[in-house]
Amino acid sequence: DIQMTQSPSSLSASVGDRVTITCRASQTITSYLNWYQQKPGKAPKLLIYIASSLQTGVPPRFSGSGSGTDFTLTISSLQPEDFATYYCQQSYSTPWTFGQGTKVEIK
Amino acid sequence: EVLLVESGGGLVQPGGSLRLSCAASGFTFTNYEMNWVRQAPGKGLEWVSYIDNRGITIYYADSVKGRFTISRDNAKSSVSLQMNRLRSEDTAIYYCARGLVDSDAFDMWGQGTMVTVSS
Repeated sequence: DIQMTQSPSSLSASVGDRVTITCRASQTITSYLNWYQQKPGKAPKLLIYIASSLQTGVPPRFSGSGSGTDFTLTISSLQPEDFATYYCQQSYSTPWTFGQGTKVEIK
Repeated sequence: EVLLVESGGGLVQPGGSLRLSCAASGFTFTNYEMNWVRQAPGKGLEWVSYIDNRGITIYYADSVKGRFTISRDNAKSSVSLQMNRLRSEDTAIYYCARGLVDSDAFDMWGQGTMVTVSS
């Protein structure tokens, strides 16, 4: 199975900050990397698919990059509604696997 | 509006069975693969099972293989998860999630249904 490791596990940031979350795969997954946002008590929401494609309706302050084993999710200017937990997920091979999550909290 | 609505969750004893259902609406169901993803209380996300748009190709996580069965009824726009020989570690919110054919990303999710396995 492909292991997905996110860093950091949590971070504190202020509104307006630039935030970067990284995700590393245990083997190459080419560009089959997706990012989700989850707020407490809610279902996850797809933000980015195939490493850098912005899902319809997602604000352009979210961006994704990377290929192979190393990927990043960047929020260019953190907004109040962005405080949530973020998960990466590989869809290169089954079993699809998720990172452990990164909780973005208010500083 | 695209909607996925899960049902069938509840409290069940270890070793028991439960059948989850997910009703889809607002899109052409036969164009999409479907998945079940679960989340144990306070934990991260775990993919459980996949079924392609025709119900031919099916995958399972090792943790549920041989105990869970996924199926779909394209005439009723629904997908189901039959869960047998349930264990305490199966306790989780179970989400139905639509998969994108080209990327296998989960682009739409239901609200989830809670399954609690306890005596």
